[in-house]
Amino acid sequence: GAGVSQSPSNKVTEKGKDVELRCDPISGHTALYWYRQSLGQGLEFLIYFQGNSAPDKSGLPSDRFSAERTGGSVSTLTIQRTQQEDSAVYLCASSRRGATRAEGGELFFGEGSRLTVL
Amino acid sequence: KNQVEQSPQSLIILEGKNCTLQCNYTVSPFSNLRWYKQDTGRGPVSLTIMTFSENTKSNGRYTATLDADTKQSSLHITASQLSDSASYICVVSAPYNNNDMRFGAGTRLTVKP
Repeated sequence: GAGVSQSPSNKVTEKGKDVELRCDPISGHTALYWYRQSLGQGLEFLIYFQGNSAPDKSGLPSDRFSAERTGGSVSTLTIQRTQQEDSAVYLCASSRRGATRAEGGELFFGEGSRLTVL
Repeated sequence: KNQVEQSPQSLIILEGKNCTLQCNYTVSPFSNLRWYKQDTGRGPVSLTIMTFSENTKSNGRYTATLDADTKQSSLHITASQLSDSASYICVVSAPYNNNDMRFGAGTRLTVKP
């Protein structure tokens, strides 16, 4: 597709269950980011992948959170033993190159996966 | 303390009116500053980007300004439309590595008929 694709768009789960969220970035984009957005709040950085480099996991809130990026393309964010405070919208973004470059590096966001933990 | 502060937190204006959103940052040095628009239930979309050497950048009815000396940016919306109702997020990028971005909490704009 032309844009960043995320699935599922909505996920309702019970406390203690594991969930997987998927992100399919724009083809050719080497950088991929996961963010979390709680209701009415700003974006919280979770994890960043750049090419074949080791991911920057500094934003993951606990060891229940993990993410993979296979073949430099699709990424999966996994939340184990979900808690109610995990309820949020999880946004994925990709960039043609590192987004801090002076020449631009625009982030292209998906529509997000809304997670509700009951 | 967040390195990017946006004000106001929320704003309500009438259709056709102008408004200005503020972004103050302490990130230094920085490589660029972007304004994103996030419609309800959607992902953010980039409106403008400015490097430290640029003072103003326009995108249709949106005009962003930057004062690198005072570390302030503003987003001015002219002749607002109902479709401008959204959250506007200021993002400042530092040149340290490819992931050194600081996000503001956003300003929630509501345009009423």
